[in-house]
Formats: sequence, structure tokens, C-alpha cells
Amino acid sequence: AQKVTQAQTEISVVEKEDVTLDCVYETRDTTYYLFWYKQPPSGELVFLIRRNSFDEQNEISGRYSWNFQKSTSSFNFTITASQVVDSAVYFCALSGFSGTYKYIFGTGTRLKVLA
Amino acid sequence: DSGVTQTPKHLITATGQRVTLRCSPRSGDLSVYWYQQSLDQGLQFLIQYYNGEERAKGNILERFSAQQFPDLHSELNLSSLELGDSALYFCASSVGTVSTEAFFGQGTRLTVV
Repeated sequence: AQKVTQAQTEISVVEKEDVTLDCVYETRDTTYYLFWYKQPPSGELVFLIRRNSFDEQNEISGRYSWNFQKSTSSFNFTITASQVVDSAVYFCALSGFSGTYKYIFGTGTRLKVLA
Repeated sequence: DSGVTQTPKHLITATGQRVTLRCSPRSGDLSVYWYQQSLDQGLQFLIQYYNGEERAKGNILERFSAQQFPDLHSELNLSSLELGDSALYFCASSVGTVSTEAFFGQGTRLTVV
């Protein structure tokens, strides 16, 4: 079975602090895909990144960085120098081809960045 | 703007009624997914269509049905509505199936009173 666990329900940080959001996944697929989405207070889901299982290279995009480690089945997301606008719920998601054509989402981590 | 359009944005209706939610995918996207987001259930997968054909079904109630039309837009029909159906309903689309990222619409907030 496929499963995504985001153990951190809510995190509060002060502006300019770095914060890491954890994501642990389970899958029996040899090829799979991992995603992060942001859901700001306005409600829409915004795509941030996709990572293929065969590409373990870490990625950096501005203040955002992602650390993919197959050995620990984790795909963690770090925001450097957090800003109030980063306040949102962040979802990690998993997809694969084990007969179910869907994206499986974790329960989300609510990030509050305080000024 | 994700390019996925959902209408209406808000819907308030009474128990027992039937509603239709509409989704226009991004241009060129063949897959459409429907998700339900409620406070206590998180993002729950309902159903997926690819180029007009149903590909996967999740925890979709029998009172709910969906279809994807030849022009690739999709509709989610919810009938015999109950208070517990109140939620945010998202439509998403992707180019292929799940090997590419899905882009989500702004959602339809359904309130059943």
C-alpha cells in the first residue's frame, strides 16, 4: 500500500528562521513520484515540486530546498529565512503505478510564520 | 493561476438536494481528478478520468457520480446531499497520468444546510 506521513501537524516559527517540514512515504513501486503542494489561507493548492524516484539529487529554488533520501523514504522540505507569506498548509504527495492512478496526500503541516 | 477552472466557487444548498460541480482542465491536459477536502478527512481522492474514460475510483459515495466529456471538461454530481458532504471539492488536471504533476483549481466550497 502507498502512504504518506507528515508527522508535524503544526509548526510555528519567527520570521527569518529556517524551518524543515518532514515527509515520510511508503510504497512498493520501484518507480514513483513525490510532490509538495502549498495551500495558503486563500484555499487553492499550489504545486511546488515534483521528484522522480530515480533522481535523488537535491533541489534548491530560491529560499526553498528539498532533500530526497530513498534510504530513509523521506522527502523533506526546508524553507530558509522564512517569511510571513510562507504561512500556509504544506502537503506532501506520492504517486506510482501500482494500479491506482491517483495522488496520495499526507495530512499536511500547518506552518505559521510570526512577524 | 493554475489554468484549471472550477465553477461555482461557493455553493450553499439544503439537505436532500442535488448539485453539479464543473471543472475545465488546463489546455492539453487529458487527466482530471476530483478530491474532497474536509477538516477531519484531509484530501480524499474521489475519482480520475483520462481522455474521457474512468481510470481510478477512490472513496466516492454511491450518491456521487462524475463524467468527463469529449471536450475534456468534467462534472461531479452530488445527490441526496447530507450535512457531512459539506467540504471543499477540488478538481485537478495533469498532462498524462500520475507521473506528472497535477494542477489544482481553486475549489468549490459546498455548504449543506
